[in-house]
Amino acid sequence: DTEVTQTPKHLVMGMTNKKSLKCEQHMGHRAMYWYKQKAKKPPELMFVYSYEKLSINESVPSRFSPECPNSSLLNLHLHALQPEDSALYLCASSQGPNSGNTIYFGEGSWLTVV
Amino acid sequence: AQSVTQPDIHITVSEGASLELRCNYSYGATPYLFWYVQSPGQGLQLLLKYFSGDTLVQGIKGFEAEFKRSQSSFNLRKPSVHWSDAAEYFCAVGGTSKLTFGTGTRLQVTL
Repeated sequence: DTEVTQTPKHLVMGMTNKKSLKCEQHMGHRAMYWYKQKAKKPPELMFVYSYEKLSINESVPSRFSPECPNSSLLNLHLHALQPEDSALYLCASSQGPNSGNTIYFGEGSWLTVV
Repeated sequence: AQSVTQPDIHITVSEGASLELRCNYSYGATPYLFWYVQSPGQGLQLLLKYFSGDTLVQGIKGFEAEFKRSQSSFNLRKPSVHWSDAAEYFCAVGGTSKLTFGTGTRLQVTL
């Protein structure tokens, strides 16, 4: 069972809505990630937080806004999304930001933009 | 730049048959290598990982993988496949602050 918990599991939102995806881990990990996965594709890295600071932003549009309130929580704020943003959003964590650390994934949040 | 190639998009095996999923990587130094499995509608579950040491790595669910530096490969194997193994399998390489995934291999198991 995954120790990275994501809520909600499913979200449908209109293009003018503001919503948030939430992620929590209690493994004491100090790196947290957001990935986006389209159907039949591998996950694509969006953001990396290292010790609660944003360390990597993979040129993600500003309509996606990450937030790391503390070492256990990671949010992804969504605003003015487009239908093409519909995807599975995966949160993940690792002990540290170095890729030598194993990354553990949550079950994901399915987002549909209408 | 690091990269991963999974040459097989889709593989079908009979239940009880052996399985080998191919993975080739490109990385300038000693890579960190991973295999993840994703069941439909689910997140990614780590099957096994290679960091250093013994080149034959044992994982969960009866899977193993062998690191072959000379061939830049990290193939995943299972001696006897179960119907519940049907899923998408991703090989990944890490070595910087990013994990790079292959395009995945979809495994179908026939009864």
